[in-house]
Amino acid sequence: EVQVVESGGGLVQPGGSLRLCCAASGFIFSSNWMSWVRQAPGKGLEWVAHIKPDGSEKYYVDSVKGRFIISRDNAENSLCLQMNSLRAEDTAVYYCMRDGGLSWGQGTLVTVSS
Amino acid sequence: DAVMTQSPLSLPVTLGQPASISCRSSQSLVDSDGNTYFSWFQQRPGQSPRRLIYKVSNRDSGVPDRFSGRGSGTDFTLQISRVEAEDVGVYYCMQHIHWPHTFGQGTKLEIK
Repeated sequence: EVQVVESGGGLVQPGGSLRLCCAASGFIFSSNWMSWVRQAPGKGLEWVAHIKPDGSEKYYVDSVKGRFIISRDNAENSLCLQMNSLRAEDTAVYYCMRDGGLSWGQGTLVTVSS
Repeated sequence: DAVMTQSPLSLPVTLGQPASISCRSSQSLVDSDGNTYFSWFQQRPGQSPRRLIYKVSNRDSGVPDRFSGRGSGTDFTLQISRVEAEDVGVYYCMQHIHWPHTFGQGTKLEIK
């Protein structure tokens, strides 16, 4: 059974940092592009970052470039998102997503507020 | 960026009646490999999104055959042949050929 489980969300002050991770199982993690997608409260979906199976290519939406870093550990079947210089507009549920949207986690809520 | 425009944004439907959602891309979604990287997702209230359709018209495993997708290039449609109560939620289109990958605004399907 395919499982994707995110962790690391929480409340953080503006300018702060947070590290999200997801643990994947039930598929060949090392063969899949992986992504982070977020959804602000009551809003639609926004692709945030994307990483190639071997980690050699990474892509970010403009609004997070220079602040967020996506990484993966294929030995541990894990994907992470280091989020720095957080802003109120980064408040959202963050989903870990397998290539093309085939599998999604349950999401982890990040709230940026003082 | 490839802008994905869905219509309608709100879709009240009577149970058992058909429904149709349109999605238009500002750029062609056909890759050099001949594939079109376009998908449809369903997000039921309080749940994570679930993929229904990939590469325009391919249904994912477990998706009822009342859901179908069609289209080409820049214009795509999701059709539900007979709406059931469990179909209530928000439907999103998505392209993943151009970076940043982008979603449509979402279409909220409700039962009349």
